Amino acid sequence: EDQVTQSPEALRLQEGESSSLNCSYTVSGLRGLFWYRQDPGKGPEFLFTLYSAGEEKEKERLKATLTKKESFLHITAPKPEDSATYLCAVNRGSTLGRLYFGRGTQLTVWP
Amino acid sequence: ETGVTQSPTHLIKTRGQQVTLRCSSQSGHNTVSWYQQALGQGPQFIFQYYREEENGRGNFPPRFSGLQFPNYSSELNVNALELDDSALYLCASSLKSGGTDTQYFGPGTRLTVL
Repeated sequence: EDQVTQSPEALRLQEGESSSLNCSYTVSGLRGLFWYRQDPGKGPEFLFTLYSAGEEKEKERLKATLTKKESFLHITAPKPEDSATYLCAVNRGSTLGRLYFGRGTQLTVWP
Repeated sequence: ETGVTQSPTHLIKTRGQQVTLRCSSQSGHNTVSWYQQALGQGPQFIFQYYREEENGRGNFPPRFSGLQFPNYSSELNVNALELDDSALYLCASSLKSGGTDTQYFGPGTRLTVL
């Protein structure tokens, strides 16, 4: 059965304190791994898609990496506005659409 | 701005009632997916439509049904509402651009069942 596990469930960082979020997955035929940011009561906001082990993508203070079993979202020198829930999801097979999500990591960055 | 809109923003229903949620995506986005997100959980896949045909379904009962229209809008219908149907309902449209798959989500509809 396809599974996506995110850790930690919650993370509190002081502004400027870098850290990483983990997403481990078991899925056959991985087509892509997605990272989203979600603010309370809103829809997920797309961040990255990763396709193969060794791939890395960056956006501002965020950097996503992928191995054969897990992905990391590195946050460098976070700011309070980075506070949100970060969701990881996987897509398999030939169709873009059905995503299997983890439960997310709730990140709080305090000044 | 994702170009995906949903209506209504929130609504309240009672057990046993029926509800229709609506989604509109950008021109050319042929695939729309619907998800249910309970509080504190990740989104759960309900079903997907491609060119007006259902193209995959998650572990949801038949009282969850959908439609997709030629104008890139879609509907999620839920019959015989239960208390556990209270959740944020999200629609997402899929796009492949420049070799990258992207799934854009709308803002969601918050459904409360009393």
